[in-house]
Amino acid sequence: KNQVEQSPQSLIILEGKNCTLQCNYTVSPFSNLRWYKQDTGRGPVSLTIMTFSENTKSNGRYTATLDADTKQSSLHITASQLSDSASYICVVSGVTGGGNKLTFGTGTQLKVEL
Amino acid sequence: KAGVTQTPRYLIKTRGQQVTLSCSPISGHRSVSWYQQTPGQGLQFLFEYFSETQRNKGNFPGRFSGRQFSNSRSEMNVSTLELGDSALYLCASSPDWRIPGQANTGELFFGEGSRLTVL
Repeated sequence: KNQVEQSPQSLIILEGKNCTLQCNYTVSPFSNLRWYKQDTGRGPVSLTIMTFSENTKSNGRYTATLDADTKQSSLHITASQLSDSASYICVVSGVTGGGNKLTFGTGTQLKVEL
Repeated sequence: KAGVTQTPRYLIKTRGQQVTLSCSPISGHRSVSWYQQTPGQGLQFLFEYFSETQRNKGNFPGRFSGRQFSNSRSEMNVSTLELGDSALYLCASSPDWRIPGQANTGELFFGEGSRLTVL
């Protein structure tokens, strides 16, 4: 069964600090892995998309890494800001006979405090 | 360029009623997918449409249905509402054409969602 597990479930950090969120998956065959940021009451917004051949991708203060061998990904946030407070969702895309199939993690709830 | 528009943003229904939610994708996007988001289950895939045809379907009962129109706008309907249907319903659009057997690497653009409360 395809699964995506994220850790930690929630995290509180002080403004200016760095943090790393984890994503482990069992989706096979693998196509790509995406990280989304979702503010409370809003729709998710894409941060990064990585394919099998990519092992790191950055978007401003967000850097995602991918190890397709161990089926792990991480999202590193540098110099956190209050506006980084949100849910971060890892989504893995697998190939099926009918096309694309996305498996969603349940997210990491990040809170950045003063 | 306007984003994905979902209407209504909020609605309250009672058990047994039915509801229709609407989604207008980004101009030029032909793929629309729907998701249910609840605090306990996270985001769950409902179905996906491309060129008025349902391409993929998640594991939801037949009370959940959808359709797509020739202008790519999409609607989803939930009949005989249950308390457990209370959730944020998200729509996403994508410009990619899906080739059977190959995964879509295109980005999904989500709307703000329709929050449904069933009493």
